Amino acid sequence: LAKTTQPISMDSYEGQEVNITCSHNNIATNDYITWYQQFPSQGPRFIIQGYKTKVTNEVASLFIPADRKSSTLSLPRVSLSDTAVYYCLVVQGAGNKLTFGGGTRVLVKP
Amino acid sequence: EAQVTQNPRYLITVTGKKLTVTCSQNMNHEYMSWYRQDPGLGLRQIYYSMNVEVTDKGDVPEGYKVSRKEKRNFPLILESPSPNQTSLYFCASSLWTGRGTGELFFGEGSRLTVL
Repeated sequence: LAKTTQPISMDSYEGQEVNITCSHNNIATNDYITWYQQFPSQGPRFIIQGYKTKVTNEVASLFIPADRKSSTLSLPRVSLSDTAVYYCLVVQGAGNKLTFGGGTRVLVKP
Repeated sequence: EAQVTQNPRYLITVTGKKLTVTCSQNMNHEYMSWYRQDPGLGLRQIYYSMNVEVTDKGDVPEGYKVSRKEKRNFPLILESPSPNQTSLYFCASSLWTGRGTGELFFGEGSRLTVL
């Protein structure tokens, strides 16, 4: 199983772009990278999933280099409501066991 | 509305008293799973199920049981709860996309305290 490593925390200010990098050195060929957002006392919520290069949706972008050993979640123009914990998850393409990383606590300041 | 429903949301119990936390989803998802979340330890998978009558251990299965007799339900059973099982529990479900687990939909969580 691919183990993920993320920064424990990061601070930002409203309107800035936040980039969170996740390391997954032993990712397998069939694995996908997924990011979740969690607010206190709530269940995590899906943000984005990708396999390689760049994926963009209405809330975030996900950048995955060619070697796929890391990925970067980019949150454009954050607001106070983006303060949350963000989890990187490597999803096995051939399996069902899921291992979440420790998460990155993002604090957006006014 | 598509949702994953857990019950109870809050429970205080005593050591050794069997309890069940129910989980139900209305999205016809094949994959269901249970997690516990403890301060500083993130989310850890307890058990998962690929479909009816198919279950397997996650990273921290000790002290827990599950069953999957119907596609929509995946209860978590603590036969003899102990204080180290005090935690916040989440159930989640997803479609099986053929290329791995798809988007996970999580319940609101069940906060369990074992005295």
